[in-house]
Amino acid sequence: RKEVEQDPGPFNVPEGATVAFNCTYSNSASQSFFWYRQDCRKEPKLLMSVYSSGNEDGRFTAQLNRASQYISLLIRDSKLSDSATYLCVVNTGSYIPTFGRGTSLIVHP
Amino acid sequence: GAGVSQSPSNKVTEKGKDVELRCDPISGHTALYWYRQRLGQGLEFLIYFQGNSAPDKSGLPSDRFSAERTGESVSTLTIQRTQQEDSAVYLCASSRDPLAGGEQFFGPGTRLTVL
Repeated sequence: RKEVEQDPGPFNVPEGATVAFNCTYSNSASQSFFWYRQDCRKEPKLLMSVYSSGNEDGRFTAQLNRASQYISLLIRDSKLSDSATYLCVVNTGSYIPTFGRGTSLIVHP
Repeated sequence: GAGVSQSPSNKVTEKGKDVELRCDPISGHTALYWYRQRLGQGLEFLIYFQGNSAPDKSGLPSDRFSAERTGESVSTLTIQRTQQEDSAVYLCASSRDPLAGGEQFFGPGTRLTVL
């Protein structure tokens, strides 16, 4: 089993839709969790951290489920500009985080 | 403030040549990472620096790859005798607090093409 797994997609949704991605991790000792966004032919950029209590930033909501060992990202009211690859990142407290391979989102008019 | 910078942005080389890729991290960031990303693939960890030391070189794919960091600042990734399979985007990232784990800031990458 891979350390961090994501559905590669693509998720193809119309503007205004709500879409959710999950990311599962195998190491129960994982301590910190993040979502990054990577646009086509660009570098990854931090989208948001994922806190135990869940957190929201505008149209984006991230949640952590430690019992089932997954994190989720919910995007409401999708915009064309949300089209990108979303990378899940998990860290066990070491210096080297583990990146998932990403989930591709395509928002169409 | 200034972000992570990398140079060159693009590099085309012939098979068998050596190349050097440079990374300038954010000032004050003690941790520096190198990754490789092949077209349509995920990030592949290469090497990590804490200060000028590289405690984890496990990701370097072969002994043709080496890296160094000086002054707790700039880092250079060197690929000797390049092969076509080395073609990829090489990304550098830095982090202020390594134990903060995943909060990394990436440079724009160097796109390497080996002919």
